[in-house]
Amino acid sequence: KQEVTQIPAALSVPEGENLVLNCSFTDSAIYNLQWFRQDPGKGLTSLLLIQSSQREQTSGRLNASLDKSSGRSTLYIAASQPGDSATYLCAVGGTDKLIFGTGTRLQVFP
Amino acid sequence: DAGITQSPRYKITETGRQVTLMCHQTWSHSYMFWYRQDLGHGLRLIYYSAAADITDKGEVPDGYVVSRSKTENFPLTLESATRSQTSVYFCASGSSGGWEQYFGPGTRLTVT
Repeated sequence: KQEVTQIPAALSVPEGENLVLNCSFTDSAIYNLQWFRQDPGKGLTSLLLIQSSQREQTSGRLNASLDKSSGRSTLYIAASQPGDSATYLCAVGGTDKLIFGTGTRLQVFP
Repeated sequence: DAGITQSPRYKITETGRQVTLMCHQTWSHSYMFWYRQDLGHGLRLIYYSAAADITDKGEVPDGYVVSRSKTENFPLTLESATRSQTSVYFCASGSSGGWEQYFGPGTRLTVT
């Protein structure tokens, strides 16, 4: 059974810092890995999707990497801003569904 | 409007009552999903559907019933609500199961 873990559970950083969020999974037989953002009281917004054949994806200040062999993914956020404050979830894609981690709650303070 | 909508957004009900949460998407995505989100558990899959008239259980299906007679709708019914079903429920859709999913705004359900 696939299990997805995210560390840390919460993170508080000053504005401008570069930061890394971690995601690990137990079964390397995945189709893709996705990172989502969730604002309080809202649904999830997809940030990045890395296919199993890829090593990384970039969008603006966000860079996600994938190492299937070690069962790990990282989300790198450059020059963090208060508007980045949210919960970030990773999800591993199988043949017909996603398995989610419990998320990292990020607070970026001015 | 294009997208995925859920109704109601907020619902309070009593233990033992039947409750139906609605989900509607306008993209004609073949896959639709129901998740619940609870503190400490993240998002857990309740049921999913690969196409109209095809549904399958997820991680936590007990106490829930789904149907999908039309591609665009995927209602979730709690046949006899229990306090443990107090949660935020998210519906999602996608063109394939394990690929990009688009989420609705959620329904906050409280069972008293």
